[in-house]
Amino acid sequence: SQQGEEDPQALSIQEGENATMNCSYKTSINNLQWYRQNSGRGLVHLILIRSNEREKHSGRLRVTLDTSKKSSSLLITASRAADTASYFCATDAGGFKTIFGAGTRLFVKA
Amino acid sequence: DGGITQSPKYLFRKEGQNVTLSCEQNLNHDAMYWYRQDPGQGLRLIYYSQIVNDFQKGDIAEGYSVSREKKESFPLTVTSAQKNPTAFYLCATHSGELFFGEGSRLTVL
Repeated sequence: SQQGEEDPQALSIQEGENATMNCSYKTSINNLQWYRQNSGRGLVHLILIRSNEREKHSGRLRVTLDTSKKSSSLLITASRAADTASYFCATDAGGFKTIFGAGTRLFVKA
Repeated sequence: DGGITQSPKYLFRKEGQNVTLSCEQNLNHDAMYWYRQDPGQGLRLIYYSQIVNDFQKGDIAEGYSVSREKKESFPLTVTSAQKNPTAFYLCATHSGELFFGEGSRLTVL
């Protein structure tokens, strides 16, 4: 079963614009993570936010977490063509199981 | 280089054949995972192992088997019982976050 649901499924923007992706989940979590996947490659971890945190930054990435709404958002500022990829949220509810959503496909036009 | 190595990168199988996908890691992580990814979809957990000689079924274990005889290795066998095996298979280790290999793409002819 998939815990996270990303929105939108696909997003196309111009270089320099900001990209926002949202994730909703169903059960209580220990942390929420965002991963990036270039086409045909493995996933790369971007950022982890714990359940007691509300916002976290890493370079051009900003993640928010609202546990009352069971939702998270990933903001990529000043996007670049190289940001074109699929982005997945993943929730960790303990027990060594991380559950992934279906992902948002981001296309950044140069 | 530290990391996770999956092989082969591409694999073709005839119906009725078993195939084994290799996953080797030198990160010294205890936990290892196999995920399946279908086009345009997220990852679904097949099997995971928290420690050597122990593993648990994930959400879609039917038609798959694994072994964990060494900490570094977690091979996945796709058996003939798996009715729709064509997919992208990802191996990962876990240490706070997941670290992924580059994947193996299996196509059934």
